[in-house]
Amino acid sequence: GAGVSQSPSNKVTEKGKDVELRCDPISGHTALYWYRQSLGQGLEFLIYFQGNSAPDKSGLPSDRFSAERTGGSVSTLTIQRTQQEDSAVYLCASTRYRDREVEQYFGPGTRLTVT
Amino acid sequence: LAKTTQPISMDSYEGQEVNITCSHNNIATNDYITWYQQFPSQGPRFIIQGYKTKVTNEVASLFIPADRKSSTLSLPRVSLSDTAVYYCLVVGGYQKVTFGTGTKLQVIP
Repeated sequence: GAGVSQSPSNKVTEKGKDVELRCDPISGHTALYWYRQSLGQGLEFLIYFQGNSAPDKSGLPSDRFSAERTGGSVSTLTIQRTQQEDSAVYLCASTRYRDREVEQYFGPGTRLTVT
Repeated sequence: LAKTTQPISMDSYEGQEVNITCSHNNIATNDYITWYQQFPSQGPRFIIQGYKTKVTNEVASLFIPADRKSSTLSLPRVSLSDTAVYYCLVVGGYQKVTFGTGTKLQVIP
């Protein structure tokens, strides 16, 4: 499709389990961002990729969080040993640069619930 | 230091024009001003982007004064479906894109 897809759309997991979230960006977009959003809150930056490299990982909350991107396309965000405070909606943004202009196209998100 | 400052919330009646102003005193020469709209349970959606003066599209208008230290998003004749959170961002080139807290617009019947 032409849009950004994320899977799964919903994930319920037990505390201590690992989860993997996937993002399929728009073809040709060089950058990809991960954000998370808790209920009623703004978007919290996690990490972004330029191609397959992550210039800025400063938003990752702890070393339990990791992300990778392969082939300049699909990205996965992995959370190890999940905790209840990890519960949030995880949003992926496929990002296009045109000269100095930046446009982001968001996926529908993955709602993660840690019980 | 926050890159942008905007009101936390606004209320408006249906049919009115809504103007949301964003302050960005430290905007850099390469930065563009971009606005996003987010409905509940959805990711943000790009609305409009501009560098200076006025930009208009089918959804909104963006007014940017000459000093570029602020910008105003104008939504003409809002309807209930315009109830959402509106985010103002300044970003340019390959800088990291971060969102502030946004303005929660509530349209009242």
